Amino acid sequence: GIQVEQSPPDLILQEGANSTLRCNFSDSVNNLQWFHQNPWGQLINLFYIPSGTKQNGRLSATTVATERYSLLYISSSQTTDSGVYFCAVNSGNTPLVFGKGTRLSVIA
Amino acid sequence: DTGVSQDPRHKITKRGQNVTFRCDPISEHNRLYWYRQTLGQGPEFLTYFQNEAQLEKSRLLSDRFSAERPKGSFSTLEIQRTEQGDSAMYLCASSLGTWDGRTFGPGTRLTVT
Repeated sequence: GIQVEQSPPDLILQEGANSTLRCNFSDSVNNLQWFHQNPWGQLINLFYIPSGTKQNGRLSATTVATERYSLLYISSSQTTDSGVYFCAVNSGNTPLVFGKGTRLSVIA
Repeated sequence: DTGVSQDPRHKITKRGQNVTFRCDPISEHNRLYWYRQTLGQGPEFLTYFQNEAQLEKSRLLSDRFSAERPKGSFSTLEIQRTEQGDSAMYLCASSLGTWDGRTFGPGTRLTVT
């Protein structure tokens, strides 16, 4: 099945700093999503981005499907951005496969 | 669009007891998925439905687990004879179709003592 690798596994930022999270996947996909899991466990959908670039406020994402990676950019980070960021992919009718996540801590 | 809801949000049970969780998907979504997440890991797929048909089950879904979606709307996940290893967050998600993003519910956190 598809393998998903996320890096870095942990990241500590000072409030106001920018960061880039990476997701590599082992096969072609037709669905790629970035999620933020808050401290209560809720998975919040950030982007549905099988290809191309999207922006939503301080967050943006780029997926280069031909090179099998996606990047999530967080600018001017805030303490509320803390949590775990997951990349998840699937192809055709296969189940959505998650990476192990990047745990982000933003300190004031 | 009221989102995906799950009930209960938390469940504590003793080993050997049966538990049942409920998921209500977004109303127009015909696909419903169950995932399990243990501490420090990403969610892992358990099973999914298209309307009332259960189309795929993971090998993680042992014989003690059963899921239903009787009328193609809400779904239930039952765990019989719970074990301590069943302690996890159980997440439900729904989507309009194969090619669409999944929307997740808040999860049910199960603790087996």
